[in-house]
Amino acid sequence: DIQMTQSPTSLSASVGDRVTITCRASQSISTYLNWYQQKPGKAPKLLIYAASSLQGGVPSRISGSGSGTDFTLSISSLQPEDFATYYCQQSYSAPLTFGGGTKVEI
Amino acid sequence: QVQLQESGPGLVKPSQTLSLTCTVSGDSLSSGGYRWNWIRQPAGKGLEWIGRIDFSGSTIYNPSLESRVTISVDSSKNHFSLKLRSVTAADTAVYYCAREEFVLRGDIISFFDNWGQGALVTVSS
Repeated sequence: DIQMTQSPTSLSASVGDRVTITCRASQSISTYLNWYQQKPGKAPKLLIYAASSLQGGVPSRISGSGSGTDFTLSISSLQPEDFATYYCQQSYSAPLTFGGGTKVEI
Repeated sequence: QVQLQESGPGLVKPSQTLSLTCTVSGDSLSSGGYRWNWIRQPAGKGLEWIGRIDFSGSTIYNPSLESRVTISVDSSKNHFSLKLRSVTAADTAVYYCAREEFVLRGDIISFFDNWGQGALVTVSS
């Protein structure tokens, strides 16, 4: 199985801050990497697919980059609605696997 | 606008079979371009992919659960189902069904673009 490791596991930030979350794969996955946002009691929501493609309706302050084993999710100016947990997920090979999550809190 | 809705018992006894159904509206399970997945999340923990089925009925499961899992589809009712046998307390989780879109972009990329709201299943006597 491909292991996905996110860092940090949690971070504290303020509105307006720039935030970066890292995801590392245990082997190269090219750009087969997706990012999701999950709020308490809700299902995850797709933000970024194929490492850097923004899903429709997702604000442009959110971006993704990387390839191979190292990926980042960035939020350029944190908004109140961005406080949530973020997960990366590899779609390179089954079993599909997720990172452990990064909680972004105030 | 596609919508997915999980349904099934919220309480299952240890050693019994967990059964959930995901009803899809706004899309046909028979259409190509999508796969239909089950994913679970224990309280306060991360996401675990259980497996998926495609429009042809082909399945693939997480090896960690493969010996206990069956995913099936009923196209006439436009729903797909999960059965997890011999459950224990470790199977207590919120279970999500999710649509996986796959597109050809040089190679095939895929992502979960639509999710159900989730169904909490507790395993307890």
